[in-house]
Amino acid sequence: GDSVTQMEGPVTLSEEAFLTINCTYTATGYPSLFWYVQYPGEGLQLLLKATKADDKGSNKGFEATYRKETTSFHLEKGSVQVSDSAVYFCALLIQGAQKLVFGQGTRLTINP
Amino acid sequence: NAGVTQTPKFQVLKTGQSMTLQCAQDMNHEYMSWYRQDPGMGLRLIHYSVGAGITDQGEVPNGYNVSRSTTEDFPLRLLSAAPSQTSVYFCASRDRGAYNEQFFGPGTRLTVL
Repeated sequence: GDSVTQMEGPVTLSEEAFLTINCTYTATGYPSLFWYVQYPGEGLQLLLKATKADDKGSNKGFEATYRKETTSFHLEKGSVQVSDSAVYFCALLIQGAQKLVFGQGTRLTINP
Repeated sequence: NAGVTQTPKFQVLKTGQSMTLQCAQDMNHEYMSWYRQDPGMGLRLIHYSVGAGITDQGEVPNGYNVSRSTTEDFPLRLLSAAPSQTSVYFCASRDRGAYNEQFFGPGTRLTVL
């Protein structure tokens, strides 16, 4: 079946550090890939997305590239801020399906 | 637009009680879903709907009922609450199409004693 695996957290970094959160997927069809972010006490918000192989999604300094050959969609940011502290979810949606499939989430804490 | 709204924000129930979690969206989205979020488990799909009058089960449907009489509303019913249903519940909606963003409500934190 379709599934998403994220690197286990929690991840703790210092401000201005480089961030990578790994995400790999297994899919029976051709998925679209998403990163969602959940700030404390809130619901999930879309951070970025990519709809086909080699697409790069970007938003708020975050980037992720859809790598079909490695079935990955790793999230990166060059210089994190305290305000980036949140839980990050990788997700996929198979074309024609109704349901998003989520990874288990990675909690990120940025210290000043 | 209010987006996706959920009520209540917090709820405490005793085992065996029933209640309905309300969800509404004003974006005319066809697809709506209910998830529960538990520590270390990510989001798990409870039930979903692809339009008014059409619902289907997700990964963890037991103990929950849904109905979709209008495009806007998608209530989640707990008929006889159990401690295992203590969780944070999120409602979400999106428009039809593979690339469309899913919008989430702010969540309902439910505790069953």
